[in-house]
Amino acid sequence: AQKVTQAQTEISVVEKEDVTLDCVYETRDTTYYLFWYKQPPSGELVFLIRRNSFDEQNEISGRYSWNFQKSTSSFNFTITASQVVDSAVYFCALSDENTGNQFYFGTGTSLTVIP
Amino acid sequence: DAGITQSPRHKVTETGTPVTLRCHQTENHRYMYWYRQDPGHGLRLIHYSYGVKDTDKGEVSDGYSVSRSKTEDFLLTLESATSSQTSVYFCAISGGGTANVYGYTFGSGTRLTVV
Repeated sequence: AQKVTQAQTEISVVEKEDVTLDCVYETRDTTYYLFWYKQPPSGELVFLIRRNSFDEQNEISGRYSWNFQKSTSSFNFTITASQVVDSAVYFCALSDENTGNQFYFGTGTSLTVIP
Repeated sequence: DAGITQSPRHKVTETGTPVTLRCHQTENHRYMYWYRQDPGHGLRLIHYSYGVKDTDKGEVSDGYSVSRSKTEDFLLTLESATSSQTSVYFCAISGGGTANVYGYTFGSGTRLTVV
């Protein structure tokens, strides 16, 4: 069965600190896709990144970086030099070849960046 | 710039009454989805549509029905609302194909309270 675990329910950091949000997934498929979404206090859901199971390269986008490790079934998200605008709930999600139209979301990590 | 809009944004209804939520897209995408967001559960798929009059159930479809008579509109109906259906409902579209390839674009959400 597919499952996504975000064990960190809430995290608080002081501005300019680095923070890593953990995501552990479960799937039996060899082809699958992982996503991160951001939900700021305004409530909308914003797409951040998509990664397929055949691409294990880490990715960096500005202050954001993602570490994908198939060996540990993890897809962790790091924010470098956090800012107040990074305060949001972050969701990790999984879909695979069998459930391509259904995403399995983690329960989210609420990040608060303190000025 | 919203290619996807939901209405209403907020609704309070009484137990046992029917409720219909509307999702409208201007992107001409084939796939449309309804999710609900609840604390401790993340987002869970209710129903999705892969074309006009073509729909399928998701993980939490009991108590919900959907209809899609036009490409641009996807309606979610609670035939007889219950307090357990108090939630935030998100509509989503996936660009050009299945969601695992293209990811989701979400609407702004509808906050439904059943009293």
